[in-house]
Amino acid sequence: AQSVSQHNHHVILSEAASLELGCNYSYGGTVNLFWYVQYPGQHLQLLLKYFSGDPLVKGIKGFEAEFIKSKFSFNLRKPSVQWSDTAEYFCAVNALTNAGNMLTFGGGTRLMVKP
Amino acid sequence: DVKVTQSSRYLVKRTGEKVFLECVQDMDHENMFWYRQDPGLGLRLIYFSYDVKMKEKGDIPEGYSVSREKKERFSLILESASTNQTSMYLCASRPSGSRSDTQYFGPGTRLTVL
Repeated sequence: AQSVSQHNHHVILSEAASLELGCNYSYGGTVNLFWYVQYPGQHLQLLLKYFSGDPLVKGIKGFEAEFIKSKFSFNLRKPSVQWSDTAEYFCAVNALTNAGNMLTFGGGTRLMVKP
Repeated sequence: DVKVTQSSRYLVKRTGEKVFLECVQDMDHENMFWYRQDPGLGLRLIYFSYDVKMKEKGDIPEGYSVSREKKERFSLILESASTNQTSMYLCASRPSGSRSDTQYFGPGTRLTVL
């Protein structure tokens, strides 16, 4: 079965610092990759996704992620974070299994940005 | 704009009670999902449904059942609630077809079982 690892459970940054959140997955076949974000008190929402083509994907609010197939990674980056980026971030992998297309989530990374 | 709604934001129940969590989506999506979200564990899939009256077990179905009588509604049932089912429950929907399609999530129901 596929699995997703997010190695940083809690990250604290000051505003304007650069951000990189790690995501590694284990699955040998074709995958689609997602980053979701959950702002305090809000719905989980899509930040960006990769399904084919350019491995560098740009999402909303200045976020980007790079798919490196050889490393089974899909790290999320932002060059300069803002206080409003405080949220929990989830990496997810959609892969075809015996039960159909299944989305598997990582454990989440809670980001706090200090003003 | 896709909308997924859940019947309650907060729910407190007693051990042994039967609990119903309701989810409704307004985008005519074929696929619907129930997850539970726990700190450090992310979201784990309980059950999903790819059509009316169709259901499939996810990763952690034990202690849960589901019902999908209408396309827009997907219910999660805890037959006899236990304290280890205290959690945040998230419903999601997705259209059929390409697996690159996004899942759309509801606001969540925070269930506490005493």
